[in-house]
Amino acid sequence: GAGVSQSPRYKVAKRGQDVALRCDPISGHVSLFWYQQALGQGPEFLTYFQNEAQLDKSGLPSDRFFAERPEGSVSTLKIQRTQQEDSAVYLCASSLERGAGNSPLHFGNGTRLTVT
Amino acid sequence: GQQVMQIPQYQHVQEGEDFTTYCNSSTTLSNIQWYKQRPGGHPVFLIQLVKSGEVKKQKRLTFQFGEAKKNSSLHITATQTTDVGTYFCAVRRSGGTSYGKLTFGQGTILTVHP
Repeated sequence: GAGVSQSPRYKVAKRGQDVALRCDPISGHVSLFWYQQALGQGPEFLTYFQNEAQLDKSGLPSDRFFAERPEGSVSTLKIQRTQQEDSAVYLCASSLERGAGNSPLHFGNGTRLTVT
Repeated sequence: GQQVMQIPQYQHVQEGEDFTTYCNSSTTLSNIQWYKQRPGGHPVFLIQLVKSGEVKKQKRLTFQFGEAKKNSSLHITATQTTDVGTYFCAVRRSGGTSYGKLTFGQGTILTVHP
């Protein structure tokens, strides 16, 4: 059906608050990726799931960042004790095949997080 | 780690002029993908190159993959205002252990003046 869906579209959090960002990938897509995009920059890799398994979390900037995809479909990116430097657009992408670069990434519209 | 440099960072052209952006890697690449992001939008897949020396065309867009699989280019002939946006290359390093990591370049922001 539809493409990758992310919610909320915008999130304003006070410093220190926890936030949860949701990603609903394209049905049947094996791979799911989270990226962080600062203004004027390219997307920065955060983490990768193959079905429900988190195979790469090397891009998560700190232990305040946590992602899960418990049933191999919907994924949640959680940021604890948000800080101002967490302000960015968080992009979720899914792809049909396993691994990165084997098939196109389909991106959602992103969640713009602003930490005040 | 994976280093991918994309140049130029900005490009302003008059409508009808050509445009080229280059992506250079310090290591051999497994393949390369190109994406376009319109202002306020999200990255949209354009193409994937896999073979050494590969050239692919999509209407006014020509994509090339270097012989050594360390660089690539995107060329737009006779730009139109609809070409405005940021063009990103995205790479996965050949033989790398990070199976799921696709690294994006910083992008080239294209502005087309009518």
